[in-house]
Amino acid sequence: GQNIDQPTEMTATEGAIVQINCTYQTSGFNGLFWYQQHAGEAPTFLSYNVLDGLEEKGRFSSFLSRSKGYSYLLLKELQMKDSASYLCAVMDSNYQLIWGAGTKLIIKP
Amino acid sequence: EADIYQTPRYLVIGTGKKITLECSQTMGHDKMYWYQQDPGMELHLIHYSYGVNSTEKGDLSSESTVSRIRTEHFPLTLESARPSHTSQYLCASSESSDHTGELFFGEGSRLTVL
Repeated sequence: GQNIDQPTEMTATEGAIVQINCTYQTSGFNGLFWYQQHAGEAPTFLSYNVLDGLEEKGRFSSFLSRSKGYSYLLLKELQMKDSASYLCAVMDSNYQLIWGAGTKLIIKP
Repeated sequence: EADIYQTPRYLVIGTGKKITLECSQTMGHDKMYWYQQDPGMELHLIHYSYGVNSTEKGDLSSESTVSRIRTEHFPLTLESARPSHTSQYLCASSESSDHTGELFFGEGSRLTVL
């Protein structure tokens, strides 16, 4: 079966750095996405990785290792507004997105 | 900024009622999707469309139906609502021709069936 694993919840301090991990087992691979979802709102796109390595976009970076079936989202200089759920999703060989349950990130002052 | 709209945002109805959740996008995207999401759970694809007159069922068994008569409109209908249909329904669209584009989501329709 296809599976996406990410921690259920993480807590970090304002101004710090946090890394949210995602491991996957899917039928084929056509890219990995990270989305941010604030409580009661729709998900919004953060990043897309299809090749191994690190993609940096401002305070957010996303890393992919296809051989390990592993990705992480790195958030720097955390702000209170970063409190949200972070969803990892993998596009399989049929170009369907397989979603993780999301990691709820709590930022404390 | 994404231009994809869902109505109603919130709906409470009784068992057995027929309901239609509306989704419209003004971006001209060919690909549209309906997802179901329960609190703290992953998104499950229930229907998708790659263009006018094209609809497919997703990986989640659903008693709902969809239609795609116009590019911008992708309504989802439940013929007879049940309490098990209580959930959040998210509509999304994508423009990418190579399947790697981001999804733009509507704000969701939160359905409660009593």
